[in-house]
Amino acid sequence: AQSVTQPDIHITVSEGASLELRCNYSYGATPYLFWYVQSPGQGLQLLLKYFSGDTLVQGIKGFEAEFKRSQSSFNLRKPSVHWSDAAEYFCAVGDDYKLSFGAGTTVTVRA
Amino acid sequence: DSGVTQTPKHLITATGQRVTLRCSPRSGDLSVYWYQQSLDQGLQFLIQYYNGEERAKGNILERFSAQQFPDLHSELNLSSLELGDSALYFCASSQGPFQETQYFGPGTRLLVL
Repeated sequence: AQSVTQPDIHITVSEGASLELRCNYSYGATPYLFWYVQSPGQGLQLLLKYFSGDTLVQGIKGFEAEFKRSQSSFNLRKPSVHWSDAAEYFCAVGDDYKLSFGAGTTVTVRA
Repeated sequence: DSGVTQTPKHLITATGQRVTLRCSPRSGDLSVYWYQQSLDQGLQFLIQYYNGEERAKGNILERFSAQQFPDLHSELNLSSLELGDSALYFCASSQGPFQETQYFGPGTRLLVL
């Protein structure tokens, strides 16, 4: 069965600094990979996805992620964080019908 | 705004009661998925419907049931509620029956007292 590990429960970053959130997956076939963001009291918003092709994918809000098959990773990055990026971030792997989510990483942005 | 709507936003009820959560998918989407988000279990897939038919089941309790109607909206019914059922329930939708991008609604927050 597929699974997702997000090793960092909580990350604090200064505004303007770079951000990298780690995601490792376990899946037998070629994975469908997603990053979602959840702001406090809000639903899940899709940031980006990887199905195939170019391993560096661009998303909304200036985020990008890189798929590395050899490391079973799909890390999310942003070069310069804004205060509005404070939220919880979820990595997910999809199989035929469902998404399996990691436990999430909470990002705090300090001024 | 994902285009997926859920009602109500909040629900407070007592143990033993029954509630119904409603979801309308994005225009053109035929698949609806239900997920539960709780502090101890995280985000868990419950069930998927495609064009009115149940397609896949996940960690859904027997006390829970769902259906998708001809107009494609879906309802999740939770009965004999327990304190542990308190959670955020999300609906998501996608175009087809197979793995595609799922777009999530804002969720219904259920509190069982």
